[in-house]
Amino acid sequence: GQSLEQPSEVTAVEGAIVQINCTYQTSGFYGLSWYQQHDGGAPTFLSYNGLDGLEETGRFSSFLSRSDSYGYLLLQELQMKDSASYFCAVKGPGFQKLVFGTGTRLLVSP
Amino acid sequence: GAVVSQHPSWVICKSGTSVKIECRSLDFQATTMFWYRQFPKQSLMLMATSNEGSKATYEQGVEKDKFLINHASLTLSTLTVTSAHPEDSSFYICSAPGQLGNTIYFGEGSWLTVV
Repeated sequence: GQSLEQPSEVTAVEGAIVQINCTYQTSGFYGLSWYQQHDGGAPTFLSYNGLDGLEETGRFSSFLSRSDSYGYLLLQELQMKDSASYFCAVKGPGFQKLVFGTGTRLLVSP
Repeated sequence: GAVVSQHPSWVICKSGTSVKIECRSLDFQATTMFWYRQFPKQSLMLMATSNEGSKATYEQGVEKDKFLINHASLTLSTLTVTSAHPEDSSFYICSAPGQLGNTIYFGEGSWLTVV
């Protein structure tokens, strides 16, 4: 089976930097993705790591260590609109099947 | 614009009735689609893989007779919640892999409330 664990909630202030961790246990590994979801909406893709290391996309960066079965999402220069839930996800083999982590609710305050 | 469209966005139904949710890929063919369910403040749980022209593959613990999936065309998958009960009230969302590499498209989601 597959399981991905995340902290349930993280709080931060505007302009700060926050890191959301994800540890996973999978049978087979095909990359780690990160998604953002605002209340009532669909998940939106943020970042993907297929190999170890850091991927940077604007204010968001994601890191992966396959040997540690661990990754994180780094959000910089936080804005109020970043308040949302964030999910890590792993792909199953073949047809883009995604298994999501437990999710982290980020609350950004002024 | 949306590349995967879900309908309806909101639906309220009475206990014991059935409700159908549609997931359409726009301008591309999706031989495979995925259905997820999400309860408030929880993660998205994969329910089943919808396969065009063949039976759906259900995840462990998902009742195939209660959640009927039909994928009769290359652009449409439907999820029917049969004999709905209040505990089936949830956010249901579908996804489809794009034709290019790692892209995955999500529908807008459907809120089901069973009263």
